[in-house]
Amino acid sequence: AQSVSQHNHHVILSEAASLELGCNYSYGGTVNLFWYVQYPGQHLQLLLKYFSGDPLVKGIKGFEAEFIKSKFSFNLRKPSVQWSDTAEYFCAVLASGGYNKLIFGAGTRLAVHP
Amino acid sequence: GAVVSQHPSWVICKSGTSVKIECRSLDFQATTMFWYRQFPKQSLMLMATSNEGSKATYEQGVEKDKFLINHASLTLSTLTVTSAHPEDSSFYICSARDWGSGENSPLHFGNGTRLTVT
Repeated sequence: AQSVSQHNHHVILSEAASLELGCNYSYGGTVNLFWYVQYPGQHLQLLLKYFSGDPLVKGIKGFEAEFIKSKFSFNLRKPSVQWSDTAEYFCAVLASGGYNKLIFGAGTRLAVHP
Repeated sequence: GAVVSQHPSWVICKSGTSVKIECRSLDFQATTMFWYRQFPKQSLMLMATSNEGSKATYEQGVEKDKFLINHASLTLSTLTVTSAHPEDSSFYICSARDWGSGENSPLHFGNGTRLTVT
């Protein structure tokens, strides 16, 4: 069965620091990968997604993620974080099957201090 | 863009009562909707897949008699927590995909419902 592992459960950064959140998945076939963000008190929003093509995917708000097939990884990065990036970030893999279920990682809570 | 509306956003109920949560796709048709549960400081857990016009598909460990799902139309799915207990207190989120935008379109999420059972 597919699974998603996020290694950093809680990250604390100062503004302007660089961010990298790890995400590894287990699935041997073709994958669709996503990063979602949940700001405090809000619903989940899609940051970016990878289906095929260029393994470096750019999303909204300056985020990007790189799909490295050999490492089964899809790490999220941002060169310089802002206080407004404080949120919880979820990596997800699209599971195979008729209903295309999304399987989520445990999430990483990011706190950015001014 | 596509919007999923979830109602209510929060509810408090007494132990033993039932609570219904609605999930509506506002400007697209959703033959399939997903219900998730989020425990504090934990990830979303997929509870069930709601299918319009047929029975929901429940994930392993989810009690189908306790979490009743009805998907009566292409824009509405409901989750009823029956005979609620304090351990059912959680944050419930629904999502739906706009299949009209292609099979690789992203999921759209509702704002979630915070259920507190006293």
